[in-house]
Amino acid sequence: QKEVEQNSGPLSVPEGAIASLNCTYSDRVSQSFFWYRQYSGKSPELIMSIYSNGDKEDGRFTAQLNKASQYVSLLIRDSQPSDSATYLCAVRGYGGSQGNLIFGKGTKLSVKP
Amino acid sequence: GAVVSQHPSRVICKSGTSVKIECRSLDFQATTMFWYRQFPKQSLMLMATSNEGSKATYEQGVEKDKFLINHASLTLSTLTVTSAHPEDSSFYICSARASGGLTDTQYFGPGTRLTVL
Repeated sequence: QKEVEQNSGPLSVPEGAIASLNCTYSDRVSQSFFWYRQYSGKSPELIMSIYSNGDKEDGRFTAQLNKASQYVSLLIRDSQPSDSATYLCAVRGYGGSQGNLIFGKGTKLSVKP
Repeated sequence: GAVVSQHPSRVICKSGTSVKIECRSLDFQATTMFWYRQFPKQSLMLMATSNEGSKATYEQGVEKDKFLINHASLTLSTLTVTSAHPEDSSFYICSARASGGLTDTQYFGPGTRLTVL
């Protein structure tokens, strides 16, 4: 059973701080990794995708991937109250049915003003 | 990012009626579409995967005769909840992906909130 694990939180950080969201996955052959943000009552929206080991930066967001450790993280710099949401980690393997995303249960982030 | 639309955004119906939800990819051709359900304060649950022109693949525990999925074109998939009951009340979200490439991203529609009275 392929699994994606996230700490459910809530993770509470003060405004302006760095929020660090972590995710581990069980399937060593996973190839593609995604972070989605979901506001309460809304559908998920894509924030970042990462495919290679290392860091990928996009504005205030940085995704980090370590395939050897089967670990992917999302850093949010200068956190804002508007970043308060549930963050979903999603992992995908090879094509066919393994090409379907496996989602973690999400980490709830709360940024306090 | 790519745009996926859903219609209706909200529907209230009486128990026993059927409800159809449409999902469209607006600026790309979606070879694969996914249907998820999310109950309040719970995680996304994949219901089924459909490829254009093929029968949908349902997840374990999802009744294929109750949740009818049609993916007739590369831009449209529909989910019909037949004989809906109050326990079917949920947030239904579709998602679409262009092709099977590893870098192809899966985009979500805005969701449909179904309330069955």
